[in-house]
Amino acid sequence: DAEITQSPRHKITETGRQVTLACHQTWNHNNMFWYRQDLGHGLRLIHYSYGVQDTNKGEVSDGYSVSRSNTEDLPLTLESAASSQTSVYFCASSAHRANSPLHFGNGTRLTVT
Amino acid sequence: GQQVMQIPQYQHVQEGEDFTTYCNSSTTLSNIQWYKQRPGGHPVFLIQLVKSGEVKKQKRLTFQFGEAKKNSSLHITATQTTDVGTYFCAGIPYGSSNTGKLIFGQGTTLQVKP
Repeated sequence: DAEITQSPRHKITETGRQVTLACHQTWNHNNMFWYRQDLGHGLRLIHYSYGVQDTNKGEVSDGYSVSRSNTEDLPLTLESAASSQTSVYFCASSAHRANSPLHFGNGTRLTVT
Repeated sequence: GQQVMQIPQYQHVQEGEDFTTYCNSSTTLSNIQWYKQRPGGHPVFLIQLVKSGEVKKQKRLTFQFGEAKKNSSLHITATQTTDVGTYFCAGIPYGSSNTGKLIFGQGTTLQVKP
């Protein structure tokens, strides 16, 4: 069965370090998204991609970057981790831009100390 | 900016009672989707509504999309402990449907006492 996998599931890092969270999907979806989830804020979009070599900023993109070198992967990099980036991060993919459900990964819980 | 507000934030019910969560958008939406997230889990797609005034049912769950396509609701009849979780609505603003960028509500967390 097709799936979307995130790694690691848990990560603790120090302020100022660079961190990369992995996301791999076997749905063959063109659209991939990164969200962060914090209490009281729901899911907020960080970055998204519509296909290889395409990346776009979401509503909370400062301090994050993504790259899309193939269809399956959209790694999320925190350039210099800050305590405000402690959160649960979800990767998602969808088949079409409109009227298409999101398939979410299991999430990565990141703690920045 | 465009916002989707969801109320209530939390709801505690006795098993067997009904539950409703409401979703209101500041702008007209081209569609609305509903997701359920179990504690410690990830959001899972439940349903999508596209048409003005649309009503869809999934067993004990009833989903409505408002006539103006700016609000939606999820109603659960006779809640069960398996209904525990956080329910999110998410919509694409009208005119932005080609972006696929869903705007999520803050979610309603449902607790069910057995």
